[in-house]
This record gives sequence, structure tokens and C-alpha cells, in this order.
Amino acid sequence: SQQGEEDPQALSIQEGENATMNCSYKTSINNLQWYRQNSGRGLVHLILIRSNEREKHSGRLRVTLDTSKKSSSLLITASRAADTASYFCATQETSGSRLTFGEGTQLTVNP
Amino acid sequence: GAGVSQSPSNKVTEKGKDVELRCDPISGHTALYWYRQSLGQGLEFLIYFQGNSAPDKSGLPSDRFSAERTGGSVSTLTIQRTQQEDSAVYLCASSLTVLAGALHFGNGTRLTVT
Repeated sequence: SQQGEEDPQALSIQEGENATMNCSYKTSINNLQWYRQNSGRGLVHLILIRSNEREKHSGRLRVTLDTSKKSSSLLITASRAADTASYFCATQETSGSRLTFGEGTQLTVNP
Repeated sequence: GAGVSQSPSNKVTEKGKDVELRCDPISGHTALYWYRQSLGQGLEFLIYFQGNSAPDKSGLPSDRFSAERTGGSVSTLTIQRTQQEDSAVYLCASSLTVLAGALHFGNGTRLTVT
């Protein structure tokens, strides 16, 4: 079963709006990561947040982590058409070293 | 090269044939992962290698799947007696170490079993 589950599965917004994607997971983690995948390509790492961190920023990206609720959110501010992609969360569990991915959120930003 | 390289980019094979997929990780990266992604789905973990440690093979779906990593660098994923359900994109990724965090992905091999 998937460790991370993203919500929503699909999101369509207008350029300039903010996009929020959520991720829930089941076990204790060392860190949680967000990746982006453009159609037909490999995944690109966006940001990593450690289990002892609550919030992290990188450019237009803001990630929060709530370990008590076992959830994370990715906020993309002032979205652009070029942000259209699938976004995946991935967790590295404390019990092992593998990185487990969720099903992803398909984000469409309309110009 | 600068990134993770996978070959071939596309592979069409007949059911029952064996296939080999290759991954060249980033130089100096000791951890190497293989994932499988079906159309419109998330990533399914297959196997990872970390240095000289025994690989974690717990994600391999059947004994038709095997992988090796020679000299701590190039890895090959072999699928024997391919089945139609093996059709997917096979993604390879590397990182400095297993605990280093960010994975660097190749663009994958799209396998189609007819």
C-alpha cells in the first residue's frame, strides 16, 4: 500500500492563483519530500522537510509538515502555466531507507 | 554525464522474451533505486542499492525480476519471460547516499510488452 496519499488527485486553476496540495502518510518518517514530474519525464526534486521541521520555503514553494497529523502540504504561490505537472510526495520512513511515493496530484494551470 | 542516464528510452518486446534495462547513475552517488510507474499512477518501489551493502529487494514483484549493480556504478534491471502486466515506465534514481535525501531521476525506460 502507498505510504503517501495526495489530495486532490487533480487540480485545475488559473494563472496567478495559488495551488495547495496535501499529502498524508501512515508511519514515522525521517523526512518528507516533494517532487514534480512533467509528462514523459523523470521526477525532479523540489524540496525536503525533515521530521523536526514544521515549515520550509523555496522560491514560490512553501511546504508544511505536521507529524502529529501525519500530513504535509505543498503551496505554490502565483502559479504559472509552466507549473503544470504532476506533483508527488515521498516519505523516508524511520524503519528503513527506501523512499515511498504517493499517487500524485495532477496540477493544471490555465493561462 | 551530468545526470542519471537510462537506456533504452523505449523498448517494445514480445510476451515471454527477456529484457534488460540499464541505468548510469550520477558519478559518486552510492545509492541507486529502481521504481516502476504505470500510466497515470504513482511510483512503485522495486529495489535499491547502497554501496557494498546487500540490496533491498523487497519491492520486486516476482522472481522474474532481478537487478544488479556492477562496480558500484551501472545497474541493470532484468525482467525474464515478460508479461503484458510488466508494461510500464521503469525509472532509475540515484543519490549521494540512501540517507542523503533528494533523488535524481533519469527519464525512464518505457517498456511495452505485446
